[in-house]
Amino acid sequence: AQKITQTQPGMFVQEKEAVTLDCTYDTSDPSYGLFWYKQPSSGEMIFLIYQGSYDQQNATEGRYSLNFQKARKSANLVISASQLGDSAMYFCAMREGQAAGNTPLVFGKGTRLSVIA
Amino acid sequence: DGGITQSPKYLFRKEGQNVTLSCEQNLNHDAMYWYRQDPGQGLRLIYYSQIVNDFQKGDIAEGYSVSREKKESFPLTVTSAQKNPTAFYLCASRTLLSRSDPQHFGDGTRLSIL
Repeated sequence: AQKITQTQPGMFVQEKEAVTLDCTYDTSDPSYGLFWYKQPSSGEMIFLIYQGSYDQQNATEGRYSLNFQKARKSANLVISASQLGDSAMYFCAMREGQAAGNTPLVFGKGTRLSVIA
Repeated sequence: DGGITQSPKYLFRKEGQNVTLSCEQNLNHDAMYWYRQDPGQGLRLIYYSQIVNDFQKGDIAEGYSVSREKKESFPLTVTSAQKNPTAFYLCASRTLLSRSDPQHFGDGTRLSIL
């Protein structure tokens, strides 16, 4: 079964508008972390934001914020004031387990965001 | 500059040939990972390693092999047994200090069949 589901293969947003990229996850572990990465056309993976399962507040990093709804098992990425440089693939990923240990990230299939001038 | 270096950027493989993708990091990270990405797809885990001389299979290890003789280096060999090797390969590393530590990625290697 898919652990990370990103239902939007592609999204369009007007420059300067906000956009929400959806991510739902599946785990029975009460302790987990959620990560979002950006992949421009050049291919590198850029870490954007992290949300822990026990974090009381939604994570924010500059123009990026997480709409974390634990009961619904969703961790949607919100990008405010979109810029042309935000056009890229965006991946949601999860790490399960309490310890800092070596549980690799599991990735969703991604959402391609296109920002229109 | 600290980072993860993958080489080569582009690689071509002939039928029946083994090829090795290099991954070196100078971040003093304990854990290293190899992922495969097919067009329009997410990343799938091939192998990962937490310490020198130890590594674990990921979801799609068949046809691949790795070694971890040094902390800084985690080369991936794509063997002739991997019948569909054309993909984008990403190497990553992270510390094991906190569960919030993200994986940091190299710039990737694009492998194609000749």
